[in-house]
Amino acid sequence: GAGVSQTPSNKVTEKGKYVELRCDPISGHTALYWYRQSLGQGPEFLIYFQGTGAADDSGLPNDRFFAVRPEGSVSTLKIQRTERGDSAVYLCASSLSNTGELFFGEGSRLTVL
Amino acid sequence: GESVGLHLPTLSVQEGDNSIINCAYSNSASDYFIWYKQESGKGPQFIIDIRSNMDKRQGQRVTVLLNKTVKHLSLQIAATQPGDSAVYFCAENIPAAGNKLTFGGGTRVLVKP
Repeated sequence: GAGVSQTPSNKVTEKGKYVELRCDPISGHTALYWYRQSLGQGPEFLIYFQGTGAADDSGLPNDRFFAVRPEGSVSTLKIQRTERGDSAVYLCASSLSNTGELFFGEGSRLTVL
Repeated sequence: GESVGLHLPTLSVQEGDNSIINCAYSNSASDYFIWYKQESGKGPQFIIDIRSNMDKRQGQRVTVLLNKTVKHLSLQIAATQPGDSAVYFCAENIPAAGNKLTFGGGTRVLVKP
């Protein structure tokens, strides 16, 4: 596609459930980023992939959060045992290289009841 | 800790006037700065960037100024239009922290007709 695609756009789940959020980056972009944005705040870095490997996962808040990018393209952010505090918009971005402009998707809004 | 912040959370501007959005950063090692625009329900959209070896960069109706002496960044929008209404974020890249952008808290710009 022309831009970064994220699915689902909205996800409502119950506390304790498992959630997967998908990101389809711009074709050919080797770098992929996940950010989390709470209401009224700027995006917060979670994890960054260069190719298939996680180059920096220092922003993941705890071990309930995990992300993969097995073939160096699509990435999935996985959240186990969701908590109400996980409610936020999860943004994915990609760039042509690890020094280039970041192109963001429209985000997946997660609501944990 | 190191952070990027904004002085004004909300800026009301008359249509046709110029807008100035300010941002302070605290890490003198930051080498790259970007301004993003985010409309409601959408992901951040790149506006303009500037590297630390420059003090001014112009785009279409936008100018970014960088003052490294006081660690200050500003975005000027000329002839503000209703479509400029959005939240604006500045972001910085700290080389030692890897290629991940650190975002400030955002300024909402409201354009009055």
